[in-house]
Order: sequence, then C-alpha cells, then structure tokens
Amino acid sequence: KAGVTQTPRYLIKTRGQQVTLSCSPISGHRSVSWYQQTPGQGLQFLFEYFSETQRNKGNFPGRFSGRQFSNSRSEMNVSTLELGDSALYLCASRPGNNSPLHFGNGTRLTVT
Amino acid sequence: ILNVEQSPQSLHVQEGDSTNFTCSFPSSNFYALHWYRWETAKSPEALFVMTLNGDEKKKGRISATLNTKEGYSYLYIKGSQPEDSATYLCAFGRSDDKIIFGKGTRLHILP
Repeated sequence: KAGVTQTPRYLIKTRGQQVTLSCSPISGHRSVSWYQQTPGQGLQFLFEYFSETQRNKGNFPGRFSGRQFSNSRSEMNVSTLELGDSALYLCASRPGNNSPLHFGNGTRLTVT
Repeated sequence: ILNVEQSPQSLHVQEGDSTNFTCSFPSSNFYALHWYRWETAKSPEALFVMTLNGDEKKKGRISATLNTKEGYSYLYIKGSQPEDSATYLCAFGRSDDKIIFGKGTRLHILP
C-alpha cells in the first residue's frame, strides 16, 4: 500500500506570493490533517478534513486554507506569504478516530 | 488553550541504559493519547494509541502507560540502542477529533 504522498518536497517563494501544497492520503483513509512545524514550536495543528468537509481548524489566520476532494486528496493554500510562514508542512491521514496518524514526508517551504 | 507538555525537552542516555519520559495533557475531553517517534530526515511514525485509563502498551523494548484521570503518560525505553535516537512526540486526541502535539523529547543515545 502506498504511503502518504506530499508534493512538492521543497518550495521557495517570496513574500506576498501564494502557495498550494498537495497531499494524497493512504488509500481508504478519509481523514487528512495538516500540521506546521517550525523550530522550537513543535507540530502546530492547521486543520483536518473528513469526507470533503473541514472537521477542525487550528489557530491560524485566514490566509491558511484547505480543501479535500472526493478522492480524499487534500490541498492546503497559503496566501500573501510572510517570512514567518517558512516551515515544514506535514500532512497525515488516518482511517478512523482511534487510529494513529500516518504522515507524509512533508513540504519544506521557504519564504524569502 | 490546550497544552500538551513533554519533559524533559532533551535527554542524553548511555547505550544500554533504560530511560523514560513524560507527557502531560488535559484530563477533560480525553479521547486518545498517541506516541510517535520522529527520526531525522524521516516522517513521524506511530508507536502507540491508547484510549483507556490504565492502558499499557508494548512494542519490543518500548512501552507506554496511560493515566487519564491525572492526565499523564510515560514512555519507557529499555536497554537503549543507537537506533532509538529520535524525537518522541506525544499527542492528545480530543473528543472533537482534534489531535494536539507536544513539542517532543529529543533523545540522544551515547555510544
């Protein structure tokens, strides 16, 4: 079974631009969560999608948005990029509520 | 604001020694407690998901316990090996399905 796939692996953008990150979950997993990891902050929860609906949202500004498609693939969009958005963005999928998260390799975003 | 606290932040352990670290979480709205291992240049990998007070889980030399009433979990590693060097993450699963992570314990095994 293929794991969680995130694309691209690396991105360099400039302030003010927008970016879209993609996540393909493990086949059969309907829940997809997104996390931001910055040095010293640990994994910060962005949002979770389940069956194309946003089920939960973390404490991030409205510049961060996402969506999930009918095949469970998910995208995350960040508009008007700021230097502080430079981070590793991890996507994780799981089949059910008591199941562990299965993480992708992440997208490393650098904003200059 | 939910806080999941892990201690210590960093730990150096001699190869062959046993060690343990702590995760503290809110005792309200508890649904599940997760432990993950995150090795450098890899993605986090699940170790355990525990849901019941008093749960104990074991995977090889690694085990974990759970106390939901007082809001803590311990992770134990017996006879540390170099391959155990990693960051160990604890995550609190709430009844609304949100999973909140602690900042992790960075474990270094000294040869």
